[in-house]
Amino acid sequence: EIVLTQSPATLSLSPGERATLSCRASQNIRTYLAWYQQKPGQAPRLLIHDASNRATGIPARFSGSGSGTDFTLTISSLEPEDFAVYYCQQRNIWPITFGQGTRLEIK
Amino acid sequence: QITLKESGPTLVKPTQTLTLTCTCSGFSLRDTGVGVAWIRQPPGKALEWLVLIYWDDDKRYSSSLRSRLTISKDTSKNQVVLTMTNMDAEDTGTYYCAHLLTSYSLYFDHWGQGSLVTVSS
Repeated sequence: EIVLTQSPATLSLSPGERATLSCRASQNIRTYLAWYQQKPGQAPRLLIHDASNRATGIPARFSGSGSGTDFTLTISSLEPEDFAVYYCQQRNIWPITFGQGTRLEIK
Repeated sequence: QITLKESGPTLVKPTQTLTLTCTCSGFSLRDTGVGVAWIRQPPGKALEWLVLIYWDDDKRYSSSLRSRLTISKDTSKNQVVLTMTNMDAEDTGTYYCAHLLTSYSLYFDHWGQGSLVTVSS
């Protein structure tokens, strides 16, 4: 089973700042990685798939990069609605696995 | 517009079997390439993928829970049904059904609101 390790566990930033979230895979997953955003009491929302492709309707301030074992989600300029928990997910090898999440909180 | 909605009990006793239903709209479970998964989330914890069913009835299960899970679909009602046997307190959490982005792109682009299940005597 592929383990996804997200860092940091918590990231404290202010609106307007740049956020950089990391996801590291325990083995090569090529570019088969997605990012989700989850707000309290809501279902996750797909942001990025295949490492760098924005899902439908996702603002351009969200971008993804990486391949192999190291991946990054970048939010170029934080909006108030971006403070949430972010999860990565791999689909290269069964079973599908998720990271443990990064909480992005307002500083 | 694609929507999914979970339904089922909010409380089950230890050792009982949980049955959850996902009612889908905006797409057909008969359509080539369609897939629906169940994913759960214990309170305050991370997401865990459980099982996936495809339009052609192919199924994929989490290896750690395979012996306890069954997934099926009723195409006449456009529903996907999950059963999980021998429920335990550690199975407490929110259970989501989710629509597969594409059959080969195993990401989830639409999710239900979630169904909170508590396991307690």
